[in-house]
Amino acid sequence: ETGVTQSPTHLIKTRGQQVTLRCSSQSGHNTVSWYQQALGQGPQFIFQYYREEENGRGNFPPRFSGLQFPNYSSELNVNALELDDSALYLCASSVEQGAGMGPKTQYFGPGTRLLVL
Amino acid sequence: AQSVTQPDIHITVSEGASLELRCNYSYGATPYLFWYVQSPGQGLQLLLKYFSGDTLVQGIKGFEAEFKRSQSSFNLRKPSVHWSDAAEYFCAVGQTGANNLFFGTGTRLTVIP
Repeated sequence: ETGVTQSPTHLIKTRGQQVTLRCSSQSGHNTVSWYQQALGQGPQFIFQYYREEENGRGNFPPRFSGLQFPNYSSELNVNALELDDSALYLCASSVEQGAGMGPKTQYFGPGTRLLVL
Repeated sequence: AQSVTQPDIHITVSEGASLELRCNYSYGATPYLFWYVQSPGQGLQLLLKYFSGDTLVQGIKGFEAEFKRSQSSFNLRKPSVHWSDAAEYFCAVGQTGANNLFFGTGTRLTVIP
């Protein structure tokens, strides 16, 4: 069974640029969530994708966007990078949440560390 | 609104000593509770979870946690710490009908010989 993988592992960008991060979900999982973990903080929910559509979003501006593909892999795109976007970006996969149920267990990838200069 | 508090930013224990990491949550209904561990430069690994039922939950690597509704707590424990347990530990809470987790700010564990 393949776990969650993310690429690249590290990335350096300059302010104003755009970045795309990639995530492959764990085998059998069809839901992908993205989190931002700033230095010294806990992860913060950005958004989740299910059936190729955004299925919940945290308190992040529209310049954070995503995609999910038919094979359940996902991309996180960030436009107009700001210095505060420097963080570890974590992808987590899970099976779909049933209606009226609690969250399914999320399994995390190793993350992509983004540095914005 | 949900929130998670991990009051201890940094804990140092001797190898072989017992460990308890504190977690308090704020949520009106029955929460879904998780403990994750993060080694330096790594992603998060699930240690254990509580959804319902027995309030004492066993996890991997010899960890356990106890859900106490009256105290809104979900503390993580281990009877004897190993040097390899040194890492950052995160408590997280989820809720019915929501698809995301709220994380605490983490507790860094240092293990001394």
